[in-house]
Amino acid sequence: AAGVIQSPRHLIKEKRETATLKCYPIPRHDTVYWYQQGPGQDPQFLISFYEKMQSDKGSIPDRFSAQQFSDYHSELNMSSLELGDSALYFCASSRRQPKTEAFFGQGTRLTVV
Amino acid sequence: GDSVTQMEGPVTLSEEAFLTINCTYTATGYPSLFWYVQYPGEGLQLLLKATKADDKGSNKGFEATYRKETTSFHLEKGSVQVSDSAVYFCALSDKGGSEKLVFGKGMKLTVNP
Repeated sequence: AAGVIQSPRHLIKEKRETATLKCYPIPRHDTVYWYQQGPGQDPQFLISFYEKMQSDKGSIPDRFSAQQFSDYHSELNMSSLELGDSALYFCASSRRQPKTEAFFGQGTRLTVV
Repeated sequence: GDSVTQMEGPVTLSEEAFLTINCTYTATGYPSLFWYVQYPGEGLQLLLKATKADDKGSNKGFEATYRKETTSFHLEKGSVQVSDSAVYFCALSDKGGSEKLVFGKGMKLTVNP
């Protein structure tokens, strides 16, 4: 079965650079979530989209933005990167009708040097 | 706001030992409850879930029962295997909102032969 696809799997950036993370949800899933997991930490919710509209916002820095496109894929844009942004970024997708739980991608490991 | 408190570990067990990971939650409504597992270098996988009080989720020998009176969702397995070595996260989602997940801190389990 198709899963949530994230790209790239690994990314190394320098401080103050920008990064774009992509997420391709499971087909027919209408909701996408982004989470950030720091080293040894629990995943923290950043932002979610339902039917291409932002549905909820968590602890996402102002330097970050995200959107969901017409084909339901989503991108997380991160600017002015800081060392503390180094983390594993997960995307998850789900469907509201009929309801499914969230399925996670394998994550993008971002390292800021 | 909603929160999840779980045993953090790390915990080391011998193969065939009994496992309990405690998890309690605080929520304004009646959330859905989940256990996710994260194997080394991989994403989050749903292990089991329960959506209402007294529901029991089970999968791969793991079980957890949604206890509204004690606001708990403890994970148990009667006989662990080496392949169960992973990080276990308890999580909740509110049914009426965006259904974002709120995670506990995670517990690293190592099972030795």
